[in-house]
Amino acid sequence: DTAVSQTPKYLVTQMGNDKSIKCEQNLGHDTMYWYKQDSKKFLKIMFSYNNKELIINETVPNRFSPKSPDKAHLNLHINSLELGDSAVYFCASSQGPVYNEQFFGPGTRLTVL
Amino acid sequence: GIQVEQSPPDLILQEGANSTLRCNFSDSVNNLQWFHQNPWGQLINLFYIPSGTKQNGRLSATTVATERYSLLYISSSQTTDSGVYFCAVEGYNFNKFYFGSGTKLNVKP
Repeated sequence: DTAVSQTPKYLVTQMGNDKSIKCEQNLGHDTMYWYKQDSKKFLKIMFSYNNKELIINETVPNRFSPKSPDKAHLNLHINSLELGDSAVYFCASSQGPVYNEQFFGPGTRLTVL
Repeated sequence: GIQVEQSPPDLILQEGANSTLRCNFSDSVNNLQWFHQNPWGQLINLFYIPSGTKQNGRLSATTVATERYSLLYISSSQTTDSGVYFCAVEGYNFNKFYFGSGTKLNVKP
C-alpha cells in the first residue's frame, strides 16, 4: 500500500496554462505539506495544512492555491504557469505537531515550456 | 531565517567504508531531521532528532543543540546508501522549516 501518493508523476505543459497536482495519504495523519525542489535540489516548504486548515503559507505567489477537501488529501492548483515553476513538487504528511516525522510522496516533476 | 550548512557537499566512498556528515545551524531549533533522497528522487525520513543520539541499523545521528550541530554517521556503507542526505531544522520562531543544501554521497562497489 502506498502511504503518500501523488498524481501525476510527470507533468509537461505550456506557459500560461493552469494545472493541478493531487496528493493523498492513507496513514491517518492530520498534517500535510507541499514542498518545492528546484533544479539545484534545494528544498523549500510551500504550504502546510492541519486538519484541512491552512497553517503555513510561505512566500509563495498567489498563483499557487492549495486545497484540502479532507485531511487525507491536499491538492495543489497552479494558475498561469511560468517557466520558473518548473521543479519537482513533493507532498508529505505527518502526525501530531507540525514538522513531526514526515513521510513523502514520490514527487511530481513539472516542466513548463 | 536560520542558515543550515551541510558538509561535505560531495562524498565518494568505497563500499564498506564509514563516514560522518555534518549539519550546522545558525540559531536555536525546535527540531532537526535527517532525510535521504535516493537516486530515483524518493525522500525518506531517517531521523527526527532535536537532541541526543539515535541509531537505526548502520545509521546513527547525534544532535548537540547547545552547540548547533548534528552529525549523521554511516557505517559499513553500501551502494544503496548513495543519494543526497539533507538536514532540516524547525526554528523556534514559529513554523519555519529550513533545509540544508545536502551532501551528495556516492558509494562505489
